Amino acid sequence: QSALTQPASVSGSPGQSITISCTGTSSDVGDYNSVSWYQQHPGKAPKLIISDVSNRPSGVSNRFSGSKSDNTASLTISGLQAEDEADYYCSSYTTSITHVIFGGGTKVTVL
Amino acid sequence: QLQLQESGPGRVKPSETLSLTCTVSGASISSGSYYWGWIRQPPGKGLEWIGSIYYSGTTYYNGALKSRVTISVDTSKNQFSLNLNSVTATDTAIYFCARRGLGGNYYNWYFDLWGRGTLVTVSS
Repeated sequence: QSALTQPASVSGSPGQSITISCTGTSSDVGDYNSVSWYQQHPGKAPKLIISDVSNRPSGVSNRFSGSKSDNTASLTISGLQAEDEADYYCSSYTTSITHVIFGGGTKVTVL
Repeated sequence: QLQLQESGPGRVKPSETLSLTCTVSGASISSGSYYWGWIRQPPGKGLEWIGSIYYSGTTYYNGALKSRVTISVDTSKNQFSLNLNSVTATDTAIYFCARRGLGGNYYNWYFDLWGRGTLVTVSS
């Protein structure tokens, strides 16, 4: 598998909740609690916001939460704010030769 | 404050070798149980993990790039480096150095600290 599957874009109004999906296979997302999520603003480095499916690093807003069901992981952003407008990437360990795989990225727009 | 900083040429000619160095400041690269590695991002595209190294020299590579990649570490300089040979235009990307976070299992791969990235263009 070349990449985990994410929607190209998701949008929402301030205060709303949105969910970004990340679909893989039993070689990655399905069989391992290894999904991580990154937020990337334009021209900046990615920032870890979720590790190991649902762990939030210190300093990351509790408006970000992660979950997983079968081969699909999800990132939920609640109470959407203008500063959440960014690209979001999921990642996972994989048993394929690539060892670590990323999703194609999702652009979040705050309306 | 722990920081990572990439350095190296911004332009490499096709068929030549891309070489980058990441300098770690604020902590010793030899302390803890961290792996240090490289991730790249072609302009306007997604992320691709290249490989990671432990201070002892143990490496993990993306199998799709393994034949062209070497990652090394210099603990005396608190640096680690990337060599990617036989480059083509498809290797044009922003290259980030990043630290693998501490995980209890072999499959816990996430990157909790990143450099700012450096753009490398492959062009004659």
